[in-house]
Amino acid sequence: DTEVTQTPKHLVMGMTNKKSLKCEQHMGHRAMYWYKQKAKKPPELMFVYSYEKLSINESVPSRFSPECPNSSLLNLHLHALQPEDSALYLCASSPTPGTIAYNEQFFGPGTRLTVL
Amino acid sequence: GDSVTQMEGPVTLSEEAFLTINCTYTATGYPSLFWYVQYPGEGLQLLLKATKADDKGSNKGFEATYRKETTSFHLEKGSVQVSDSAVYFCALTLLNSNTGKLIFGQGTTLQVKP
Repeated sequence: DTEVTQTPKHLVMGMTNKKSLKCEQHMGHRAMYWYKQKAKKPPELMFVYSYEKLSINESVPSRFSPECPNSSLLNLHLHALQPEDSALYLCASSPTPGTIAYNEQFFGPGTRLTVL
Repeated sequence: GDSVTQMEGPVTLSEEAFLTINCTYTATGYPSLFWYVQYPGEGLQLLLKATKADDKGSNKGFEATYRKETTSFHLEKGSVQVSDSAVYFCALTLLNSNTGKLIFGQGTTLQVKP
């Protein structure tokens, strides 16, 4: 299994809703990432998990809350979002930190989020 | 700081034309270089990579050579197809990075017309 899966594919939510995005990989990768991508722009890194521990938070607002319950699963909990948070949210994973293969990231198809 | 600069698009070509998308980088350490492709409505796919100087990455007819002397990693394809229409991102990550952080260029949109 060489893919990263993300659910749901599309999500529409109101500003008072609580929702979660899910990402899963079964490649044995020990680093996982959340990115936000606006239209016609490159992905922006949000969070990095290394060995299930949060290693980078790129000054993301607290209305985004990541969680890594195990080495295969990564969640992004959403609460009280704003319309400007509407974007494509991408998950990625990469092999063991500290190895040269670590530099290669595998991306999921993304969740298209619309905040009304 | 570390950065990637890509030629601005959109690039519009006829089918079977030759493609070059320029990419140059600035890096404080020793980078690995990547080209990712994003088809409409999809996530990013790794197209090719190179991890040291003079390495040539290749995949699906696309090629790019890691040129340390010119700090470049230009993407080329000899004969493009309509199905190559997508956004192409050049990216780097530092070999000694303990974060694996990818630094992306702004992306170049390629449109291939039949």
